[in-house]
Amino acid sequence: AQSVTQLGSHVSVSEGALVLLRCNYSSSVPPYLFWYVQYPNQGLQLLLKYTSAATLVKGINGFEAEFKKSETSFHLTKPSAHMSDAAEYFCAVNSPFRNNDMRFGAGTRLTVKP
Amino acid sequence: GAGVSQSPRYKVAKRGQDVALRCDPISGHVSLFWYQQALGQGPEFLTYFQNEAQLDKSGLPSDRFFAERPEGSVSTLKIQRTQQEDSAVYLCASSFETSGSTDTQYFGPGTRLTVL
Repeated sequence: AQSVTQLGSHVSVSEGALVLLRCNYSSSVPPYLFWYVQYPNQGLQLLLKYTSAATLVKGINGFEAEFKKSETSFHLTKPSAHMSDAAEYFCAVNSPFRNNDMRFGAGTRLTVKP
Repeated sequence: GAGVSQSPRYKVAKRGQDVALRCDPISGHVSLFWYQQALGQGPEFLTYFQNEAQLDKSGLPSDRFFAERPEGSVSTLKIQRTQQEDSAVYLCASSFETSGSTDTQYFGPGTRLTVL
């Protein structure tokens, strides 16, 4: 069984500050990992995904995440927060053998203060 | 279409009523997924279609939930005799590939169901 745990249901940063959203995974097989963003009243939008290639993955809107097997982590970072980054962020894990096995974390709400 | 669309966007039902939620996936996408997102939680898998075939319905919470995709395109999620615990946002997603779990799932805006 696979699962992800997002540490911190709410994160608040100042505009221009580093964004760090934490995600740890549990998987019995090499995982595929995803970060999605959800703006109010909208569906989830893919930010980036790790599929066993490069461990440092760059996504849209300046976000990136690093897969660390030794730490079972896939934290999301952005060097400088923008007001438009305020949203809900979800980490997800999927099996490499089935595409109908996506498991999402509970989400982290990011607030950006001016 | 340009993206996944869902209708209605909001649905209020009285306890015991039947509801039907519609999903229009991206044209040409083979795989279609339904998720349930409770307030303050991440999406949870309900069911999965590959074309018109429902290959996995293990996430459906009870036999009151039924999903179909008769022509391999539009899908409908039906909930019979709604209960208050069914209140949630129901998300639909589609992807192009059939078996590639790296394939991006594109999500619709969801239908927010409130059962009174």
